[in-house]
Amino acid sequence: DVQLVESGGGLVKPGGSLRLSCAASGFTFRSYYMNWVRQAPGKGLEWVSSISSGSTYIYHADSVRGRFNISRDNAKNSLFLQMNSLTAEDTAVYYCARVFDTMNRANWYFDLWGRGTLVTVSS
Amino acid sequence: DIQMTQSPSTLSVSVGDRVTIACRASQSISSWLAWYQQKPGKAPRLLIYKASSLESGVPSRFSGSGSGTEFTLTISSLQPDDFATYYCQQYDVLWTFGQGTKVEIK
Repeated sequence: DVQLVESGGGLVKPGGSLRLSCAASGFTFRSYYMNWVRQAPGKGLEWVSSISSGSTYIYHADSVRGRFNISRDNAKNSLFLQMNSLTAEDTAVYYCARVFDTMNRANWYFDLWGRGTLVTVSS
Repeated sequence: DIQMTQSPSTLSVSVGDRVTIACRASQSISSWLAWYQQKPGKAPRLLIYKASSLESGVPSRFSGSGSGTEFTLTISSLQPDDFATYYCQQYDVLWTFGQGTKVEIK
C-alpha cells in the first residue's frame, strides 16, 4: 500500500526538543518533495516545512524558522522534523504530506497524507 | 506571504442542499489552488486541484471554479458523508491554507 506513517510525537516541556519521523512505503520516496503540516487542537491546517527530493531545497514557515529543521534519508524512505525550543503554540498534530508532482507546476498540491502524530508541549 | 480567506466559517445545511464555499487569495495565484476535506481525527483528503480538476475517486457532486484571487468549491447535492471541514490551499508560492469551513447538520 502507498502510505505515510508518522511517529515520535509525545509530551515535551516548554523549551524542549523532539524529533518526528515519517516512514514512507509503496512509492519511490526519493522522487518526491515532502512536507510537514500541523494542526493545533480545534484549529486549521498550517504548512510547516518542505524539502525537495534530493534535499537541495528546504523551506520553513516563519513561525518555525530557526527552531525546526526538516531532513530526509532517501535510503531509508524516511522524513524527519527536528523541533527545538518548543512552546505551547507548537502543540498540534503533525502530518507528513507528499507533493504530487513537482515536474508540472499545476501539480504542487498534497496528494498523500499520513495519519499524524500528536505533539503536546506542556509543563 | 499569500493569505487565504475562506467564507463562511460555518455552514448549517441539510442533506440534498447545494453548498458553496468561497476562498479568496491576497494576491493572484493563477489556478494553483486545491481543496481538501477533513473529518474529525482524520487526515485531509484531496478533492480538487488546479482550481477545478477533480481528484480521482472523488464524487462528481464536488466541483471547483475560479482563478486569480477568487475561488469556489460547490457540492451540488450534499450527502450525509459530506459533513466535514473543507480547506482551500494555494500552491503558487510555497503553500498556505485557508482557515477552514465547517459544514454541519442544520
